Amino acid sequence: DGGITQSPKYLFRKEGQNVTLSCEQNLNHDAMYWYRQDPGQGLRLIYYSQIVNDFQKGDIAEGYSVSREKKESFPLTVTSAQKNPTAFYLCASTTDMNTRTEAFFGQGTRLTVV
Amino acid sequence: QKEVEQNSGPLSVPEGAIASLNCTYSDRGSQSFFWYRQYSGKSPELIMSIYSNGDKEDGRFTAQLNKASQYVSLLIRDSQPSDSATYLCAVNVRGGSNYKLTFGKGTLLTVNP
Repeated sequence: DGGITQSPKYLFRKEGQNVTLSCEQNLNHDAMYWYRQDPGQGLRLIYYSQIVNDFQKGDIAEGYSVSREKKESFPLTVTSAQKNPTAFYLCASTTDMNTRTEAFFGQGTRLTVV
Repeated sequence: QKEVEQNSGPLSVPEGAIASLNCTYSDRGSQSFFWYRQYSGKSPELIMSIYSNGDKEDGRFTAQLNKASQYVSLLIRDSQPSDSATYLCAVNVRGGSNYKLTFGKGTLLTVNP
């Protein structure tokens, strides 16, 4: 079945550590996105990528980094510079960014700082 | 002005009533509009998409778009307790040379039996 797979489902980070969240899709979509969701809040855009080897900062990119070396994969690294990383992280993909296309979401990764 | 704004809620309706959810957006160039439903702790799932002015109906759901007023809404008829969730409005907003999918904060809907 086609879809988006995020891993792990739950992740615990110690203060000062970098952690990487995985996002893989087999939908042959060009565009991929990372969102952050805090309790009772909507989705805030961290980074997005339209094609391989290209990505843009979203609204809250500070303290995060991404790569897009393969079409299927868009990993997100939460660096130690992100002071309040505890949140629910969602990865999404669309056919591309400029047509009438819905976004498909992964199941999310819940990151907690311990 | 925020790019996508929703009535903050929470919204509570009795079972069988009509629930009305509203959303405004700031980018007049936006062409694609979506409503997602999100249950607590889960990822969003698409309910409706709408691209042209007017109404679009799918079962108990009706999306309405008015580009002149930069307004999009979702009506849920015959509301059921299983409709209780957060509803997210999403709009393709211009971000440089392409568009980025931007979400509102969501409206929490509770349908009371």
